[in-house]
Amino acid sequence: GESVGLHLPTLSVQEGDNSIINCAYSNSASDYFIWYKQESGKGPQFIIDIRSNMDKRQGQRVTVLLNKTVKHLSLQIAATQPGDSAVYFCAENRPGGGADGLTFGKGTHLIIQP
Amino acid sequence: DARVTQTPRHKVTEMGQEVTMRCQPILGHNTVFWYRQTMMQGLELLAYFRNRAPLDDSGMPKDRFSAEMPDATLATLKIQPSEPRDSAVYFCASGFDRSTDTQYFGPGTRLTVL
Repeated sequence: GESVGLHLPTLSVQEGDNSIINCAYSNSASDYFIWYKQESGKGPQFIIDIRSNMDKRQGQRVTVLLNKTVKHLSLQIAATQPGDSAVYFCAENRPGGGADGLTFGKGTHLIIQP
Repeated sequence: DARVTQTPRHKVTEMGQEVTMRCQPILGHNTVFWYRQTMMQGLELLAYFRNRAPLDDSGMPKDRFSAEMPDATLATLKIQPSEPRDSAVYFCASGFDRSTDTQYFGPGTRLTVL
């Protein structure tokens, strides 16, 4: 079946460097994507979202890029800080559309090295 | 700072016992979701409600799980009887009924069934 998946389970970067977390999706009908951050012992926390009619969206230190041609989503974090260490999930809306539950990828563990 | 709250945060019980988890969605949100998170399966949608009506519970084992919303400020997830394979973190999330809106997660209930 169609699903959302992540390329790398673990990503280690030096503090201060930029990091890029990738996500592949296979459901071409998906029109809304979200990145979540989950710290140990906490629930997923919304970071940034993007609709399918956009290619790029920027937030504070974060940028999400959407490439619909290859069904690829990425999260860029600029000038990483120790507090950025977490598991990052991409999620897509279900084929039914709307906020009717999200399909989550398996997650990428981002480790910030001092 | 509006948040989704969940109780209890931790629950240890013995196989065969009933477990009830509670969630208070963010005031004004009309869509409530229950997710389960395990290392093997990641985040899985169990059920969701809109305006207190159950819309989809296809992710739940019907014979032992039940989800309800007695009122707009309370959602419950019950497991009876519980089994060791139910051990997981259960998250509640809430959101608005809009086509492109995110979900806000609670801190989760960590359930251990011995």
